[in-house]
Amino acid sequence: GEDVEQSLFLSVREGDSSVINCTYTDSSSTYLYWYKQEPGAGLQLLTYIFSNMDMKQDQRLTVLLNKKDKHLSLRIADTQTGDSAIYFCAESMNDYKLSFGAGTTVTVRA
Amino acid sequence: GAVVSQHPSRVICKSGTSVKIECRSLDFQATTMFWYRQFPKQSLMLMATSNEGSKATYEQGVEKDKFLINHASLTLSTLTVTSAHPEDSSFYICSAKANSNLNYGYTFGSGTRLTVV
Repeated sequence: GEDVEQSLFLSVREGDSSVINCTYTDSSSTYLYWYKQEPGAGLQLLTYIFSNMDMKQDQRLTVLLNKKDKHLSLRIADTQTGDSAIYFCAESMNDYKLSFGAGTTVTVRA
Repeated sequence: GAVVSQHPSRVICKSGTSVKIECRSLDFQATTMFWYRQFPKQSLMLMATSNEGSKATYEQGVEKDKFLINHASLTLSTLTVTSAHPEDSSFYICSAKANSNLNYGYTFGSGTRLTVV
């Protein structure tokens, strides 16, 4: 997905917060998603946000959307070892095809 | 709710043979399913959009005669890799969108690891 960019790696200490950033280019995006992929598995939808929202919180997950800057972030509070995975940011227009970023590999260290 | 089952999870086949991968929506109907290919440590590349009752829409550069897609019912789409070669070895993932409930978003299967020897 050349339209969606993410940093490739993030290392975080257990118990700290993780922040994964994503930028997208298409201002007509209507939905933005965060997916988690564990080794050898499919993608698990973590959360999504509509383009008319600024923030969404769901338990340990907080999504922030800056539509002006086309910037999306995912904050994971109290990061645990089970949070180690690849996280994909994705956008869709009119709820159709998804464009994915390259994925951010999050490593949680003790 | 919104579970997608993908089978097989892993398959090894010989060069020149064909392999069929199934993607089923278990508790919802999906008029549209998507097939992705993922190379190691890379993102998902959309291969095609599978439409129930009509021909699939392939992305640029994807050979439709090589990757046959059939979406004969509202709960099943299949991807057949024909005359497989070692370069077709990859991780293939399907996804589906529940028609009526946007809260489901896109649900993904668990993926199929194809190895062609």
